[in-house]
Amino acid sequence: AQKVTQAQTEISVVEKEDVTLDCVYETRDTTYYLFWYKQPPSGELVFLIRRNSFDEQNEISGRYSWNFQKSTSSFNFTITASQVVDSAVYFCALIAGNNRKLIWGLGTSLAVNP
Amino acid sequence: DSGVTQTPKHLITATGQRVTLRCSPRSGDLSVYWYQQSLDQGLQFLIQYYNGEERAKGNILERFSAQQFPDLHSELNLSSLELGDSALYFCASSVEGHDTQYFGPGTRLTVL
Repeated sequence: AQKVTQAQTEISVVEKEDVTLDCVYETRDTTYYLFWYKQPPSGELVFLIRRNSFDEQNEISGRYSWNFQKSTSSFNFTITASQVVDSAVYFCALIAGNNRKLIWGLGTSLAVNP
Repeated sequence: DSGVTQTPKHLITATGQRVTLRCSPRSGDLSVYWYQQSLDQGLQFLIQYYNGEERAKGNILERFSAQQFPDLHSELNLSSLELGDSALYFCASSVEGHDTQYFGPGTRLTVL
């Protein structure tokens, strides 16, 4: 079975704090792709990152960083020095094997307070 | 702006009615996907088309149907609407298969 679990339903932080959003995935396929999307209050889904199963290198993009660990089936997302504009729901998602559909976690709602 | 367009942005209709949601993919993308986002079920894959042909089907009700036209735009038809069909419907596009799916702004459907 393929599944994505985001155990944190809601997180609230104060501006400038670092915050990590957890994502655990399940798949028996050796080839798979992991994604993070952001859904701000306006409702659109914004692509953040795509990672394939053969590339465990961590990635940093500005204040965003991602930690992919196959040993623990996790693909965690860290925001450094959070800002109010980071307030959104963040989704982790998986495409595995011959599937073309995104399998979604339930999302983590992040509130960054001034 | 993802380059994927969806119309209308909002739709309010009554139970039993039929509506059509429209999606235009990014230039060059051959695959179109439809997803439903509801409070109780989260984001669910409905259906995928590639270059005019159905490629994959998810949790799509028999009352729902979709198609992709020669110009690659896609339409999602929802009929015999029920209150539970109220949701945000997203269209996404990608070049192919495992490529990144870019999402349109969504159509918020309210069934009264």
